[in-house]
Amino acid sequence: QLQLQESGPRLVKPSETLSLTCSVSGVSIGSSSYYWGWIRQPPGKGLEWIGSIYYNGNTYYNPSLKNRVTVSGDTSKNQFSLRLSSVTAADTAVYYCARHLAVTATGDWFDPWGQGTLVTVSS
Amino acid sequence: QPVLTQPPSASASLGASVTLTCTLSSGYSNYKVDWYQQRPGKGPRLVMRVGTGGIVGSKGDGIPDRFSVLASGLNRYLTIKNIQEEDESDYHCGADHGSGSNFVYVFGGGTKLTVL
Repeated sequence: QLQLQESGPRLVKPSETLSLTCSVSGVSIGSSSYYWGWIRQPPGKGLEWIGSIYYNGNTYYNPSLKNRVTVSGDTSKNQFSLRLSSVTAADTAVYYCARHLAVTATGDWFDPWGQGTLVTVSS
Repeated sequence: QPVLTQPPSASASLGASVTLTCTLSSGYSNYKVDWYQQRPGKGPRLVMRVGTGGIVGSKGDGIPDRFSVLASGLNRYLTIKNIQEEDESDYHCGADHGSGSNFVYVFGGGTKLTVL
């Protein structure tokens, strides 16, 4: 059964870089034709797609975050990671990783998701 | 890119039915929408996807038959019949737009469903 688990620092200082890792079990991220994505949810607000990485390493980012985001993959550890630079309090959110499915005829969606991890930006 | 609009809250009595609405912005009436359920303290899970003709693909894992979808114009509906306590959740809709370097995935603001 495919499972995803986020990990990383829960507290990040303003202007620093937020770094999270998603550990995937049940599927090899390097050998399956899937994307792997990051989504976040600020407290009391809706969901926001951050970016995704394809199994071949191609990346896609939300234009609103593109200048600050890097998503990368480590097939040897079956993990993919998120780096968000120059963070502010507005980046405080629960961060989720998810498998990003894409089918030409029916579009894209996310399933399953990790449980999420709250990252707070504060000095 | 489309904007998805959801009412912030909805409520229904135990055993009753409720219909949640996700409205696409003008010009996007042919877009598919994905419904996600988020129970308190948990990550979202896919409920099902809805296009202009109804459900797209299969329901998400473990989603009971009480859940169904419909589409009309710019609206995408999620109906829950015989509501149970475990249905009390936030429900989010999402949609993809564009491809390649122009790809983006957008979400609505979510609807908090309270079971009375």
